[in-house]
Amino acid sequence: EPEVTQTPSHQVTQMGQEVILRCVPISNHLYFYWYRQILGQKVEFLVSFYNNEISEKSEIFDDQFSVERPDGSNFTLKIRSTKLEDSAMYFCASSGGLAGATEQFFGPGTRLTVL
Amino acid sequence: GNSVTQMEGPVTLSEEAFLTINCTYTATGYPSLFWYVQYPGEGLQLLLKATKADDKGSNKGFEATYRKETTSFHLEKGSVQVSDSAVYFCALSDPGTSYDKVIFGPGTSLSVIP
Repeated sequence: EPEVTQTPSHQVTQMGQEVILRCVPISNHLYFYWYRQILGQKVEFLVSFYNNEISEKSEIFDDQFSVERPDGSNFTLKIRSTKLEDSAMYFCASSGGLAGATEQFFGPGTRLTVL
Repeated sequence: GNSVTQMEGPVTLSEEAFLTINCTYTATGYPSLFWYVQYPGEGLQLLLKATKADDKGSNKGFEATYRKETTSFHLEKGSVQVSDSAVYFCALSDPGTSYDKVIFGPGTSLSVIP
């Protein structure tokens, strides 16, 4: 069964450093997303991406964040200068196969720890 | 705006007990409704979904019915097992646009003891 994959599973970084979180969405999906879950809190939407551009972003997704689909398979989230409060689990999701769908499929997440 | 409210946890039950986790939503239009489960140390898995009023989603003994009149989507299971211990998230998305975000409730932690 197709699945969304994410790497790395755990990333530790120093405050102020740049990090790139990587995702491989399901191959025929057209819509891509990033969500964040701070430990013990609810899952929050960050950004959605379609047709090589951002379709919606939340207030959390400020200028420190960017997304990119550098090739036909990867979808990345970059945080330019990490802050302590960026420590969280980051989930990638994809949806919208050729037949259309509302269901989003989530990856296993990347746990980001900022020291 | 759209939002999801669910009962506060943690919930602790004995094995084979009946489970109900309440969920209510606020939305414009006709959202799709979901329950996601997060097992310890793992990511989010879709447990079940319903896309229109009176639909019943079911999976692994869990079920939830889309009640438009009460804007609810309560999760139930007749007999829980220790392996059901996890955090359960009620969620919605607006199918009006294919790329609409999923909005999650705060999550309910369930612990099932032998």
